[in-house]
Amino acid sequence: QVQLVESGGGVVQPGGSLRLSCVASGFTFSTYGMHWVRQAPGKGLEWVSLVWYDGGNKYYVDSVKGRFAISRDNSRNTLYLQMNSLRVEDTAVYYCARGLLYGDYRMDSWGQGTLVTVSS
Amino acid sequence: DIQMAQSPSSLSASVGDRVTITCRASQSVRNYLNWYQQKPGKAPKLLIYSVSSLESGVPSRFSGSGSGTEFTLTISSLQPEDFATYYCQQGYNTPRGITFGQGTRLEIK
Repeated sequence: QVQLVESGGGVVQPGGSLRLSCVASGFTFSTYGMHWVRQAPGKGLEWVSLVWYDGGNKYYVDSVKGRFAISRDNSRNTLYLQMNSLRVEDTAVYYCARGLLYGDYRMDSWGQGTLVTVSS
Repeated sequence: DIQMAQSPSSLSASVGDRVTITCRASQSVRNYLNWYQQKPGKAPKLLIYSVSSLESGVPSRFSGSGSGTEFTLTISSLQPEDFATYYCQQGYNTPRGITFGQGTRLEIK
């Protein structure tokens, strides 16, 4: 069965950096797009970033452009999110999700999430 | 970016009730509209994709309809396990701008 396991969350000061990882299993990782979606405490879902199946195309929500970088290592079945210049408003649970790269771009499998807290 | 607005933001209902949640897009998203269910402390789960296609394993009491800018998620007979928050998501203005609705919290009356 499809499994996505995030890690790397924690507490960081404003301006700091953190790298999240998402290890995938149960499917052919290299044939799917992968997303990061976040959820601030008590708030709704916000799409953060998408990487193409081969890492060739990358997209970001405006609020993280220039600060976050998505990448993947298909040999390790692992997705990453490098987060720099972190702000208090980046505090959220970060989910990785498997995504289709055509049509409705649905996200059909999700990890359990990892909490990032940006606080001084 | 395409904005997605759900109504109501919250809803109280009883087991056995029929419930409808609406999602409106700021411009046409054709049929590229998906619905997710999220229970407290858990990851979202895909329920319906492309407006009306049921994801594998999702009970048939869930259904979706609509086109263009207005869409609905209907639960025909609420079960205790259906009390959760529901989100719509458009996949039209992608991959540059994937957006979710703000969510509809379905609570037990």
